[in-house]
Amino acid sequence: DADVTQTPRNRITKTGKRIMLECSQTKGHDRMYWYRQDPGLGLRLIYYSFDVKDINKGEISDGYSVSRQAQAKFSLSLESAIPNQTALYFCATSDRVTGLYGYTFGSGTRLTVV
Amino acid sequence: GESVGLHLPTLSVQEGDNSIINCAYSNSASDYFIWYKQESGKGPQFIIDIRSNMDKRQGQRVTVLLNKTVKHLSLQIAATQPGDSAVYFCAENTGTASKLTFGTGTRLQVTL
Repeated sequence: DADVTQTPRNRITKTGKRIMLECSQTKGHDRMYWYRQDPGLGLRLIYYSFDVKDINKGEISDGYSVSRQAQAKFSLSLESAIPNQTALYFCATSDRVTGLYGYTFGSGTRLTVV
Repeated sequence: GESVGLHLPTLSVQEGDNSIINCAYSNSASDYFIWYKQESGKGPQFIIDIRSNMDKRQGQRVTVLLNKTVKHLSLQIAATQPGDSAVYFCAENTGTASKLTFGTGTRLQVTL
């Protein structure tokens, strides 16, 4: 089983719909992140959480919200999806001991908003 | 704003040759850099890292060079193999705890 699991792997949704992307991890890491990847733009940070009670905005948080339900679960929501949110979304984890060295990514969720 | 970027979007090399992927960064306060490999349909995977107090670090078939004077980072892959075909990203620690800024990526294509 993967250390960082993202569901769904692929999703097509309509403009205006609410959608949730889920991430769970078995690494025991306390830090979790959501990134989006667009062609030619690399990965950009949406939100991050250093523990269950800590939520922080990244560089492109507008239009997104997150919930850290438990240490192992971090979900990303699009309250009202729009076409320019079509992208590949990645969840990542790290911990305070290994820090950036231990950064681990999930396999991604490909989201298409039509 | 300050960012991490890459010079070449696509690099094509012949199997067995050495590959060099370059990355320019602009944040002089960055103290930690990582190279990631992303294969099709997968998330980025850690390849090698380097701290700003080092100029060079070697792994298995990979070497990272850091030139702080010109803010340049490179990834060298020796004896490139078909399995090395992927997109490679550099990333830097922006100075705040455990957050990385990523470059746009270079696609490495290995020809037979």
